[in-house]
Amino acid sequence: EAGVVQSPRYKIIEKKQPVAFWCNPISGHNTLYWYLQNLGQGPELLIRYENEEAVDDSQLPKDRFSAERLKGVDSTLKIQPAELGDSAVYLCASSLDSPTSGSSYNEQFFGPGTRLTVL
Amino acid sequence: GDSVTQMEGPVTLSEEAFLTINCTYTATGYPSLFWYVQYPGEGLQLLLKATKADDKGSNKGFEATYRKETTSFHLEKGSVQVSDSAVYFCALSRYFGNEKLTFGTGTRLTIIP
Repeated sequence: EAGVVQSPRYKIIEKKQPVAFWCNPISGHNTLYWYLQNLGQGPELLIRYENEEAVDDSQLPKDRFSAERLKGVDSTLKIQPAELGDSAVYLCASSLDSPTSGSSYNEQFFGPGTRLTVL
Repeated sequence: GDSVTQMEGPVTLSEEAFLTINCTYTATGYPSLFWYVQYPGEGLQLLLKATKADDKGSNKGFEATYRKETTSFHLEKGSVQVSDSAVYFCALSRYFGNEKLTFGTGTRLTIIP
């Protein structure tokens, strides 16, 4: 079974330029997450989707960041314009959230991430 | 809010040494607790989990016990190998993993032959 796919793996841009990251979750997974991982830190959630709906975007800096998940499958995270402080690794994860899961555990599977460098 | 405090690294050990990486948490209620591992060039992988107090998670020789009285979830392994070299993250989730994960800062472990 293919894992979570992210592209590109690396991106170098100049500040004020736009950039977009793409994520393809594991087939059948209805929940998708974008995390931001700064150097030497643990990942922090940016946005969580359940199918097409963004159910938690409280940590997404909406002035420059946007995300979409069309048709409840692939997702794109965009930054416009990028700033120096946006240099980080952007991680995508997915999980299967069953409505009847109750007490069962829904593991999040992570992609390899996109390392963004803003010059 | 929720937080995870993790033993700062980096940690360097000789092969076959005993490993402990400390993790404590702050959260209301009864969170689920996790250890994730990140090998060089790879994505985060779930190593083990515990979803209620006194549960012991185990995998690949690693163990961690959910201690609610001390709000801890320390990772242990009796005999480490070079292949265990990676970054280890302690994390919690309010529910059963389908909410956001709150991570610690990570501990880089290097095992020397």
